[in-house]
Amino acid sequence: AQTVTQSQPEMSVQEAETVTLSCTYDTSESDYYLFWYKQPPSRQMILVIRQEAYKQQNATENRFSVNFQKAAKSFSLKISDSQLGDAAMYFCAYRGLIQGAQKLVFGQGTRLTINP
Amino acid sequence: DTEVTQTPKHLVMGMTNKKSLKCEQHMGHRAMYWYKQKAKKPPELMFVYSYEKLSINESVPSRFSPECPNSSLLNLHLHALQPEDSALYLCASRTRMNTEAFFGQGTRLTVV
Repeated sequence: AQTVTQSQPEMSVQEAETVTLSCTYDTSESDYYLFWYKQPPSRQMILVIRQEAYKQQNATENRFSVNFQKAAKSFSLKISDSQLGDAAMYFCAYRGLIQGAQKLVFGQGTRLTINP
Repeated sequence: DTEVTQTPKHLVMGMTNKKSLKCEQHMGHRAMYWYKQKAKKPPELMFVYSYEKLSINESVPSRFSPECPNSSLLNLHLHALQPEDSALYLCASRTRMNTEAFFGQGTRLTVV
């Protein structure tokens, strides 16, 4: 079964520093998508970055980048120049064919604290 | 308009009440989702509608009844809920051309 594992329940980083959040997943599919979503106290899930499994190039969005290792089934998120507004719960998510249907499955989340 | 709008933002209901949650989007998305999120946990998929037809029901109890009256609107009808159903209920939508789902801000439901 497809599962997503985030092994870091909590992380903290000094403002302006760099932090990396880990995510591993398990799947037997070759075609799927991976995402990092951010959920601040406002509760809305906000897309941070996405990666198509068929693309070898790592996705980047401004200060956010991923290290996608398909063979290792690893998908980590790097946040550069951390800002106070980056404080939130971060969820790694997998979207692919699960039990015959396209589903989005989330990891347990990592709570990121930014220290001023 | 790139928003998914959920109403109400907060809802308190008794175990004998009937209430409904509403989700609306005007992005032309034809796939719409309901998720349930307990405190400090990830969202869990409840239902998926594709082209206004229910395509996935994740074995959700019948006290939750989804409805998709048109391509922009998704409802979740609630009846005879239990206190353990208290949670944040998130709606999301996606188009086949997009890879990601867009989420609303959720309805914080408390069952007393």
